[in-house]
Amino acid sequence: DAMVIQNPRYQVTQFGKPVTLSCSQTLNHNVMYWYQQKSSQAPKLLFHYYDKDFNNEADTPDNFQSRRPNTSFCFLDIRSPGLGDAAMYLCATSRDRDRVYEQYFGPGTRLTVT
Amino acid sequence: SQELEQSPQSLIVQEGKNLTINCTSSKTLYGLYWYKQKYGEGLIFLMMLQKGGEEKSHEKITAKLDEKKQQSSLHITASQPSHAGIYLCGAGPFTGNQFYFGTGTSLTVIP
Repeated sequence: DAMVIQNPRYQVTQFGKPVTLSCSQTLNHNVMYWYQQKSSQAPKLLFHYYDKDFNNEADTPDNFQSRRPNTSFCFLDIRSPGLGDAAMYLCATSRDRDRVYEQYFGPGTRLTVT
Repeated sequence: SQELEQSPQSLIVQEGKNLTINCTSSKTLYGLYWYKQKYGEGLIFLMMLQKGGEEKSHEKITAKLDEKKQQSSLHITASQPSHAGIYLCGAGPFTGNQFYFGTGTSLTVIP
């Protein structure tokens, strides 16, 4: 029944050491999103893929990159994590965009930077 | 930028009591989503409202969108400890910076 899967659930990395978070979906949705959620804050959209088309938010730091090798998988790469990047990272999917579609979220990956 | 204000910021209720959470926008909403998030976990989709005056219910949770499509309320009847968590409203569609989350309402239900 799992629809949006995120691995790992908890990730610890060292300051400056590259880290990759993984998201996969069984829904065959066109759109995949990555959000960053810091403690006691609302999720903030980092970027999204509409099929193979990458869409970056204007204020997303260059330190954050993403890859979508196929429909099912999407990765979040943090090239040089800083202490301020510690957060919950949420992956989500929707069938399409530009219209009101239900959005499905994964359980999240909590990133700790030491 | 479009902002969503939620109220109250936090809520503590006795089990069995009814409660209402509000989500207000200064602009007309294209679509309004309600999510629940348990502490440290991902978001669980509750309901989506698109039409002015629309109302949807699931179990003991009812969400409404006003006629002007600028305000939504989430009402829980006979609250239970399982309802505890953070409730977030979001406004779409999900296109770049057109989608926003509200600030969230933390709900505690005391047995």
